[in-house]
Amino acid sequence: DGGITQSPKYLFRKEGQNVTLSCEQNLNHDAMYWYRQDPGQGLRLIYYSQIVNDFQKGDIAEGYSVSREKKESFPLTVTSAQKNPTAFYLCASKEAEDYTEAFFGQGTRLTVV
Amino acid sequence: GQQVMQIPQYQHVQEGEDFTTYCNSSTTLSNIQWYKQRPGGHPVFLIQLVKSGEVKKQKRLTFQFGEAKKNSSLHITATQTTDVGTYFCAGLMKTSYDKVIFGPGTSLSVIP
Repeated sequence: DGGITQSPKYLFRKEGQNVTLSCEQNLNHDAMYWYRQDPGQGLRLIYYSQIVNDFQKGDIAEGYSVSREKKESFPLTVTSAQKNPTAFYLCASKEAEDYTEAFFGQGTRLTVV
Repeated sequence: GQQVMQIPQYQHVQEGEDFTTYCNSSTTLSNIQWYKQRPGGHPVFLIQLVKSGEVKKQKRLTFQFGEAKKNSSLHITATQTTDVGTYFCAGLMKTSYDKVIFGPGTSLSVIP
């Protein structure tokens, strides 16, 4: 089945450690996105990529990094520079054409202790 | 910066009552999409509006796109407990790199 997969579903890390969240899609989508969701809040854009080897900062990119070496994969690294990393992280992908819907992964809930 | 706002943030209704959420953008949008996120789940696409003044219906849900393509609304008639969740609007902003910006969402609770 085609889809977008995030792993793991739950992740715990100690403060000061970097952690990488996985996002893989087999939908052949060019565009991929990372959003952060805090309790009772909407989706804030962290990074997005419209093509392999290219990505752009979103509204809250500080303390995060990404790579897009393959079309299928868009991992997000939460670095120790991110002051409040505990959140629900959602990855999405869509076709590059304008009027197409975004497909979301199941999300990764990151807790930093 | 570019923003998409939604009101209200929370809405509690009695089952059978109607519900409306409003979405407003600071800039003109190429299109508007609506997503629903059930508690503990991830956003799922509901519908897309592209044309100025467009109105679409999905059973008890009615979606509108404003004439200026800066605002949109979602109206649910006779809510049911299955309507519980957070409804997000998302706008495509055409820049050098196309950005999909989500509103903060409206959380709907339905009291049986």
